[in-house]
Amino acid sequence: KAGVTQTPRYLIKTRGQQVTLSCSPISGHRSVSWYQQTPGQGLQFLFEYFSETQRNKGNFPGRFSGRQFSNSRSEMNVSTLELGDSALYLCASSRTERSKETQYFGPGTRLLVL
Amino acid sequence: GENVEQHPSTLSVQEGDSAVIKCTYSDSASNYFPWYKQELGKGPQLIIDIRSNVGEKKDQRIAVTLNKTAKHFSLHITETQPEDSAVYFCAASKVGSQGNLIFGKGTKLSVKP
Repeated sequence: KAGVTQTPRYLIKTRGQQVTLSCSPISGHRSVSWYQQTPGQGLQFLFEYFSETQRNKGNFPGRFSGRQFSNSRSEMNVSTLELGDSALYLCASSRTERSKETQYFGPGTRLLVL
Repeated sequence: GENVEQHPSTLSVQEGDSAVIKCTYSDSASNYFPWYKQELGKGPQLIIDIRSNVGEKKDQRIAVTLNKTAKHFSLHITETQPEDSAVYFCAASKVGSQGNLIFGKGTKLSVKP
């Protein structure tokens, strides 16, 4: 079974631009979560989607948004990019939204903001 | 909110030795504790997880123990091999926030041949 895929793998943007990242979950998985990973802050939760609905949201500004489609694929968008948004953005999928479900991570999209 | 602390931040062992990484959590409602291994340029890979109704779980050379009273859990790797070298993360989540894993800061494990 194919794992979680994320596109693009690498991205370079300049301050003020916006960016859209894509995540395809494991087949049959309906829950998708997004995380930001930086050397200073580590892995931080952005948001979670299940059945096209946002279920949980982390402590990030409104410039970070996401959505999920009917086929469970998810996108996240960052508007008005700042230098501090440079990070590895990870997507994780799980079968359901129920408690104690295992999350499987994709390889991430590395975003560099210049 | 939940806070997860992980120690040590770096760990160096000789091949064949054991490695232990410890984590503590703050929210007593947390009930799911996965461990992830992240190699350079890759996303975190689940290596083992434990749920709050279990005190210990083992999978070949890897074991995890959970002490709910003390609110801490540990990862034990026995007979370490060079390919075990990576960054290991512990995490915690609770009912109602399953998609929201709170991660420790990570432990960089180096296994010297």
